[in-house]
Amino acid sequence: GAGVSQSPRYKVAKRGQDVALRCDPISGHVSLFWYQQALGQGPEFLTYFQNEAQLDKSGLPSDRFFAERPEGSVSTLKIQRTQQEDSAVYLCASSFRVGGGLQETQYFGPGTRLLVL
Amino acid sequence: ELKVEQNPLFLSMQEGKNYTIYCNYSTTSDRLYWYRQDPGKSLESLFVLLSNGAVKQEGRLMASLDTKARLSTLHITAAVHDLSATYFCAVETQGGSEKLVFGKGMKLTVNP
Repeated sequence: GAGVSQSPRYKVAKRGQDVALRCDPISGHVSLFWYQQALGQGPEFLTYFQNEAQLDKSGLPSDRFFAERPEGSVSTLKIQRTQQEDSAVYLCASSFRVGGGLQETQYFGPGTRLLVL
Repeated sequence: ELKVEQNPLFLSMQEGKNYTIYCNYSTTSDRLYWYRQDPGKSLESLFVLLSNGAVKQEGRLMASLDTKARLSTLHITAAVHDLSATYFCAVETQGGSEKLVFGKGMKLTVNP
């Protein structure tokens, strides 16, 4: 079946511009995550949804970052007034699992590579 | 705060050789993941380790988990060039959010 998809794959923004990144999780997956991966680093957690509820947003670096998942499926990560330090790859992941016990991994999308000039 | 450390961070090895890489983490967790990432690509799940003593094998890779030592190992047997990639371990935080804390990754180069 289809995996996690993200769009756009590449985005170039001028500093100060707002951007919106989209994630389509695997159908039926309850949990959805956003991670930020800087060049040469491991992904860092941004936020987590269980269905439409945003249960953890502790990783969002500033109030310029906002995520939503209004119908419990597609999610959008919005960055307002982009800064150069926002340049990174933004990864979305989804999983079916809610709670413990299942051998369920997080499935990652291809990422959106954001470059802020 | 959960911290995950991998070592080594860079490894160059010859085809046919064996090697073990390590992942240490700082606070209690009983769920650990290994992922592979090729340049410019996303993360591919390799293993999910759920309990103390868990061992999983896939092809030339074998992963294990010791939750008491807070240590996971990824053993490479008879390396081949196709294994060249960056390998991340990630540990799930406890307390409900399922978020993963990743190590910095180990860049593996297997030379013919």
